[in-house]
Amino acid sequence: GEDVEQSLFLSVREGDSSVINCTYTDSSSTYLYWYKQEPGAGLQLLTYIFSNMDMKQDQRLTVLLNKKDKHLSLRIADTQTGDSAIYFCAEKPGGSYIPTFGRGTSLIVHP
Amino acid sequence: DSGVTQTPKHLITATGQRVTLRCSPRSGDLSVYWYQQSLDQGLQFLIQYYNGEERAKGNILERFSAQQFPDLHSELNLSSLELGDSALYFCASTPRTSGSGYNEQFFGPGTRLTVL
Repeated sequence: GEDVEQSLFLSVREGDSSVINCTYTDSSSTYLYWYKQEPGAGLQLLTYIFSNMDMKQDQRLTVLLNKKDKHLSLRIADTQTGDSAIYFCAEKPGGSYIPTFGRGTSLIVHP
Repeated sequence: DSGVTQTPKHLITATGQRVTLRCSPRSGDLSVYWYQQSLDQGLQFLIQYYNGEERAKGNILERFSAQQFPDLHSELNLSSLELGDSALYFCASTPRTSGSGYNEQFFGPGTRLTVL
């Protein structure tokens, strides 16, 4: 079955790196995503990675994918207070167009 | 601004009532998805429409129904409401329904439903 798991909370100090982890179960997943939800808003795609890649970097964001362990992580360098939000991991199984979302990790950045 | 609009922003109603939530997808997007977000269940996929036709069903209760109109806007109807239906309801759209490509979903701001 499909299941995406991630821890519910992460607290970091401003300027530090944040690492949000996610595990998934469907080995046929073709794309894995990180969405960001700011207070009072809908989800917004932050970044994604194709399943044949093991790393993707985009400015302060680094996505690491370990297909063998079905583990995905999002690293935010130099975390700012504006990064405080809920981060959702999601997978898109092969042949499906419906992503499965994790429950979201609330990132709290304090001064 | 994702380009997806949802109305109303907030809705407060009583148990047993029926409500209709409305979504307008991004211009040109043919596919609409409905999600329910609650504290205990996380983000749950309810149903998807593509160009007026139902394409996929998720964890949608029989008391809930949806449709997509010729102008591509969609409505989610919730009836015989219970306290547990209180949640944020999101609509998302994509250009197509194809499984190929990374298929980014564009989410609306959501409708917060409170059932008293």
